[in-house]
Amino acid sequence: AQKVTQAQTEISVVEKEDVTLDCVYETRDTTYYLFWYKQPPSGELVFLIRRNSFDEQNEISGRYSWNFQKSTSSFNFTITASQVVDSAVYFCALSENSGYSTLTFGKGTMLLVSP
Amino acid sequence: EAQVTQNPRYLITVTGKKLTVTCSQNMNHEYMSWYRQDPGLGLRQIYYSMNVEVTDKGDVPEGYKVSRKEKRNFPLILESPSPNQTSLYFCASSLSQGRMETQYFGPGTRLLVL
Repeated sequence: AQKVTQAQTEISVVEKEDVTLDCVYETRDTTYYLFWYKQPPSGELVFLIRRNSFDEQNEISGRYSWNFQKSTSSFNFTITASQVVDSAVYFCALSENSGYSTLTFGKGTMLLVSP
Repeated sequence: EAQVTQNPRYLITVTGKKLTVTCSQNMNHEYMSWYRQDPGLGLRQIYYSMNVEVTDKGDVPEGYKVSRKEKRNFPLILESPSPNQTSLYFCASSLSQGRMETQYFGPGTRLLVL
């Protein structure tokens, strides 16, 4: 069965620090998709990125970057020069190519960035 | 503006009083889904719908019903709510039923069952 583990329950950093949020997944499929979502204090879920299992290229979007490593089943998320507005809960999610449940979420990592 | 809307956003009710949470999307998405979010448990899928009149159970369907009579709407029905259904509920939609599609989420509905 598919599983997503976000071992870091809560992380606190000071503004301008870099921070990495870990995500480890389990799946028996060779084709799968990985996602990151952000949940700010207002509560909505904001899509950040989608990555398929055949694309191991790392991606950078502004201060955000993602490191996908199939060898370690990890899809880590790094925020460079963190800002207070980055404070949120971040969820990693997995979608397999088979099975009835399309998105399995990790339990989330709460990031608190203080000034 | 492309969006998923949910109503109500906040609801306090009592045990056993039937309620419906509406969900609507204006993106002509085929796939819609309901999740609940609980502290320490992340998000868990309740029900999903591949298309009109096609629904199926997710991971935690007990105590819930859904219907998909129109493509844009996917209401969540709690026939007899209980306190353990106190939670934050999210509706989501994606363009198609493909597993690779990104799901876009509504703003959430906070439900308290007394």
